[in-house]
Amino acid sequence: KQEVTQIPAALSVPEGENLVLNCSFTDSAIYNLQWFRQDPGKGLTSLLLIQSSQREQTSGRLNASLDKSSGRSTLYIAASQPGDSATYLCAVRDSYNNNDMRFGAGTRLTVKP
Amino acid sequence: KAGVTQTPRYLIKTRGQQVTLSCSPISGHRSVSWYQQTPGQGLQFLFEYFSETQRNKGNFPGRFSGRQFSNSRSEMNVSTLELGDSALYLCASSPGQGVTDTQYFGPGTRLTVL
Repeated sequence: KQEVTQIPAALSVPEGENLVLNCSFTDSAIYNLQWFRQDPGKGLTSLLLIQSSQREQTSGRLNASLDKSSGRSTLYIAASQPGDSATYLCAVRDSYNNNDMRFGAGTRLTVKP
Repeated sequence: KAGVTQTPRYLIKTRGQQVTLSCSPISGHRSVSWYQQTPGQGLQFLFEYFSETQRNKGNFPGRFSGRQFSNSRSEMNVSTLELGDSALYLCASSPGQGVTDTQYFGPGTRLTVL
């Protein structure tokens, strides 16, 4: 059964710092990996989607990488801002398990002004 | 283009009752998925529909059911509510039936069971 882990569970940084969020998964048989952000009490906003054949995706200050063979993905946020404060979740789409999407528990990010 | 909408946004029920939640996908999207989010279990997949057919189902009891209409709108139903069903229920839509599609989430329905 696919397990998705995100470390750290919480992270607090001063504004302007570059930071990296980590996501690991146990089964490399995936179609893709998606990063989301969730603001308190709200739904999920899709940030980046990396297909299994890709190594990275970029959008603005965000860069996500995928190393399928080692079961790891990172989300790099450049020049962090207070508005980046949110919970960041990664999810993998399994090739097995009926193509389920499996989510990590998230990293709660706080960017201090 | 309007995003995914879910109604109602908040709901309070008592144990033993049943509830129906509604999801309208982004215009043109034909696939709808449902998820349950709780502090203890995180986000868990419930089911996925495409063209009115359930394509995939997560590991939830039969009290949880859903359907999709010809206009791609979807409903999920929970019967005989239990306290543990209190959660944020999220709906997501994607354009087709491909597993490579991005999923777009709605704001969720917050269900509280007393």
